[in-house]
Amino acid sequence: GEDVEQSLFLSVREGDSSVINCTYTDSSSTYLYWYKQEPGAGLQLLTYIFSNMDMKQDQRLTVLLNKKDKHLSLRIADTQTGDSAIYFCAETAGGGNKLTFGTGTQLKVEL
Amino acid sequence: DARVTQTPRHKVTEMGQEVTMRCQPILGHNTVFWYRQTMMQGLELLAYFRNRAPLDDSGMPKDRFSAEMPDATLATLKIQPSEPRDSAVYFCASGPDRVIDTQYFGPGTRLTVL
Repeated sequence: GEDVEQSLFLSVREGDSSVINCTYTDSSSTYLYWYKQEPGAGLQLLTYIFSNMDMKQDQRLTVLLNKKDKHLSLRIADTQTGDSAIYFCAETAGGGNKLTFGTGTQLKVEL
Repeated sequence: DARVTQTPRHKVTEMGQEVTMRCQPILGHNTVFWYRQTMMQGLELLAYFRNRAPLDDSGMPKDRFSAEMPDATLATLKIQPSEPRDSAVYFCASGPDRVIDTQYFGPGTRLTVL
């Protein structure tokens, strides 16, 4: 079956880097995504990476993909209090834009 | 700025009542998804439509839940009769049906069944 796993919680100090990890099982996934969910809101796409890439950088965000180990990570540089949210990784499942979401990681940024 | 809209944003009802949640997908998107989010189960896919046809509703309790798309601008999720265990946030998402594209989420309907 398709399982996307993440650790449940991460706490960092403001200004530090955050690294959120994800493992997935479907090696045929074409794209992998990171979504952010702020309190009381829906999920919002943060970034994505194509499966033939190892790394993608987008301002403070760096996505690393280790396809051999089926491991995806999201690094947030200079983490701010506004980054406090739940972060979901997701993989394409079965073609089209149907996604399998991870369990979500709650990031708490402390002053 | 195109967005997925959902109504109502909040709903409190009593056990046994019918609940209808509505979603307006982004114009031009031909896939629509319904999700349920709870603390215990996380994000669960309930139903998935492409070009208004249901493709996958295996995540939905069939005896009480139903999902439809009467037209391309409206998707509905009904629960009849509702139960306290249905209390959750229900999200609708839409997207163009291409692998390179993704899903755009609405703000959700927070349902409380007493």
